[in-house]
Amino acid sequence: NAGVMQNPRHLVRRRGQEARLRCSPMKGHSHVYWYRQLPEEGLKFMVYLQKENIIDESGMPKERFSAEFPKEGPSILRIQQVVRGDSAAYFCASSPGTRRRYEQYFGPGTRLTVT
Amino acid sequence: KNEVEQSPQNLTAQEGEFITINCSYSVGISALHWLQQHPGGGIVSLFMLSSGKKKHGRLIATINIQEKHSSLHITASHPRDSAVYICAVSRDDKIIFGKGTRLHILP
Repeated sequence: NAGVMQNPRHLVRRRGQEARLRCSPMKGHSHVYWYRQLPEEGLKFMVYLQKENIIDESGMPKERFSAEFPKEGPSILRIQQVVRGDSAAYFCASSPGTRRRYEQYFGPGTRLTVT
Repeated sequence: KNEVEQSPQNLTAQEGEFITINCSYSVGISALHWLQQHPGGGIVSLFMLSSGKKKHGRLIATINIQEKHSSLHITASHPRDSAVYICAVSRDDKIIFGKGTRLHILP
């Protein structure tokens, strides 16, 4: 049973470009969470999604950031017009469903570097 | 004050020593997680517990719900245990993370 997959593992973007980060949850998991880890800081919640629904995006910056989890395919975290301050490690986690939301399994992360 | 506090922030020990990392939290939780992060690496979930004690190899995690406190122990520590250990708590739909304890085991 494959774990949570994230790609790419490393992504370099110039200021102003777009970054797309992908997360494939564990098989059978229908809930995805995105977290950001800024350099020398702890992990912070960004957004919680179920298939085709954003449940909680209270941790997402108001501008330039968006997330989706379509019916088919991976969850995507999209950052438009990236700035240096977006450089961070982005982790996603998946959980089995509503009754076990607390049971989250983490992916390996995508390290975004904005030059 | 952070909702999840870990101590110590940094810990250096000799190979073979018994290691304890502590975590205190101030909110109601449904579960507590211990995670491991190697430098430049991903996150590995070590334990998820809501009561009592769990053991996996040389790692032991305990939680005291009344005291709102958890400990992670490493027996017979080894240089490959060097990593950041993160305590996190599940509250509603979110996980709240501690800032991590940086552990360095010297050979």
